[in-house]
Amino acid sequence: GENVEQHPSTLSVQEGDSAVIKCTYSDSASNYFPWYKQELGKRPQLIIDIRSNVGEKKDQRIAVTLNKTAKHFSLHITETQPEDSAVYFCAASSGGNEKLTFGTGTRLTIIP
Amino acid sequence: GAVVSQHPSWVICKSGTSVKIECRSLDFQATTMFWYRQFPKQSLMLMATSNEGSKATYEQGVEKDKFLINHASLTLSTLTVTSAHPEDSSFYICSAISGGVVIQYFGAGTRLSVL
Repeated sequence: GENVEQHPSTLSVQEGDSAVIKCTYSDSASNYFPWYKQELGKRPQLIIDIRSNVGEKKDQRIAVTLNKTAKHFSLHITETQPEDSAVYFCAASSGGNEKLTFGTGTRLTIIP
Repeated sequence: GAVVSQHPSWVICKSGTSVKIECRSLDFQATTMFWYRQFPKQSLMLMATSNEGSKATYEQGVEKDKFLINHASLTLSTLTVTSAHPEDSSFYICSAISGGVVIQYFGAGTRLSVL
């Protein structure tokens, strides 16, 4: 089955700086890669996703890049703000059964 | 759009009792629902996938007789934790998708504490 690894597990960034979280996946058939943000005790919220036919996607301060050859994808948050503090999860899906395999999560702390 | 409601948000029960958690899609028909368990400071672990009108598909290591899943309609799936024990204490989250759309929308989760 699919295996998703995520790094780093914790990340502290000065407000205004950029944050980068990286994930690798094992199943070359995976074709959908969402990123979720989860605040303590709350539901995961989809913040951005990318499909395997695209190399990069951007939405305001958030961007995701995908390297299919290397089987890794990354989340980039620019101009970080205190409200960006949360746990971020990457995930991968092979599309056929729509199951998501999640990474282990990154606790992002923005230092004011 | 795409709102998933989960109830209850928090439940405390005695060891040996059963607890039912409901997951509803409020503004769309959910052809498939997923149930996850999340331990503190850990990732979401898929427990099972349920499709309306058919038996759920459980992930390896998940006891189907302990975690009963019913997906009786296109807007409702239930997870019943039978004979709950303290080790079943966790955060249970459902998600739902609509046919042809791969994006999963999550419920707010249920925190289960078994005494």
